[in-house]
Amino acid sequence: EVQLVESGGGLVQPGRSLTLSCITSGFTFGDHSLTWVRQAPGRGLQWVGFIRTKGHGGTTEYDASVKGRFTISRDDSKSVAYLQMNSLKTEDTALYYCAREDYYGSGSYPFWGQGTLVTVSS
Amino acid sequence: SYELTQPPSVSLSPGQTARITCSGDAFPHQFAYWYQQKPGQAPVLVIYKDSVRPSGIPERFSGSTSGTTVTLIISEVQAEDEADYYCQSGDTSGTSVVFGGGTKVTVL
Repeated sequence: EVQLVESGGGLVQPGRSLTLSCITSGFTFGDHSLTWVRQAPGRGLQWVGFIRTKGHGGTTEYDASVKGRFTISRDDSKSVAYLQMNSLKTEDTALYYCAREDYYGSGSYPFWGQGTLVTVSS
Repeated sequence: SYELTQPPSVSLSPGQTARITCSGDAFPHQFAYWYQQKPGQAPVLVIYKDSVRPSGIPERFSGSTSGTTVTLIISEVQAEDEADYYCQSGDTSGTSVVFGGGTKVTVL
């Protein structure tokens, strides 16, 4: 069974940093791109960024709202993806989901975690 | 960047057909994907590649396209279909993903 579990959320002051983890199981982690999506309270889904497989360079892409502040990485030996968030702003407050792409380039995300809540407040 | 536009809400009675539109310049060049999200739950993929239904999704869910608009169709809507629905696509260069603003479906 494919599973994704996010962790690392919490309350953080503006300007500080936080790193989220997406711990996965039930599939060959190295064969899939991973994406992060967030949802502010009462709002819609917003794509944050994704990381490609090592076979496709392991490169990353980000939404303009987080580019330069957030970094996505992956550890294929541990089947874990990370979202490092720096210079956090109050508007980064959201439930953060990680999701697995169906297969490389499919653009489809059939597997999601349950999310971890990040609250940015002084 | 580009945007996907959805109506904020749709209300209908049980047994009726819901049609949720999603408009954007990404279409028809890029595929559309649709997610259902119920309160307190993670999104669930209900349609991929415009009109393909994943295993386990009821047959009353279908998708169609016409020019720059894609549509999620829920036939004979049931109370359990009450949820938020989001369309999603990607840009042609494969460097970004975008979600529509979401449509709240209320079954009266």
